[in-house]
Amino acid sequence: QQQVKQSPQSLIVQKGGIPIINCAYENTAFDYFPWYQQFPGKGPALLIAIRPDVSEKKEGRFTISFNKSAKQFSLHIMDSQPGDSATYFCAAGSGGSNYKLTFGKGTLLTVNP
Amino acid sequence: NAGVMQNPRHLVRRRGQEARLRCSPMKGHSHVYWYRQLPEEGLKFMVYLQKENIIDESGMPKERFSAEFPKEGPSILRIQQVVRGDSAAYFCAGTEQGNHGNTIYFGEGSWLTVV
Repeated sequence: QQQVKQSPQSLIVQKGGIPIINCAYENTAFDYFPWYQQFPGKGPALLIAIRPDVSEKKEGRFTISFNKSAKQFSLHIMDSQPGDSATYFCAAGSGGSNYKLTFGKGTLLTVNP
Repeated sequence: NAGVMQNPRHLVRRRGQEARLRCSPMKGHSHVYWYRQLPEEGLKFMVYLQKENIIDESGMPKERFSAEFPKEGPSILRIQQVVRGDSAAYFCAGTEQGNHGNTIYFGEGSWLTVV
């Protein structure tokens, strides 16, 4: 049973566009929602994370929007660049340790010049 | 990657052979976590180890897979009698204290190909 559903599977935008990646979760015990960026042949790198006590978090060009009642959260990338082309994973965790993350299946983002 | 070192980066094994993947966390850290990424899939938690202890192995397949983290040396994920379906990227992770408590940081991964 997939507990974190991520969409779309792939996304193509032009440079400067604002790609949006969406995730939905089922387990109400989740209280930690990170996003990871992965380049081919590399490990996932933590991009930004949010807890349910806030509805939005910004770090640089990356913004997480969080809707607790709908059990949904999304990643927005402002002024996207070709270097942002990568696979993005949302994840969810619970408890203080956050080590046992449940990941979405990923979104392959391509930013064209 | 928070100083998490993995080797080998790439490993090719024939069906039935054994695969051993190694992971060294950042110096001074005594916890490691192993995740597996199957092709076109997200990562899935396998096991959480402290030095000489398995804390949570709820994600480990019941057969052929084992993990250890001895007092000295790296953590080892061992896959016996590998099958084609074991072909995947295996990531080791450590944690660091961040704004939201402990945050998982992944190593660069070990890519296993079973032929």
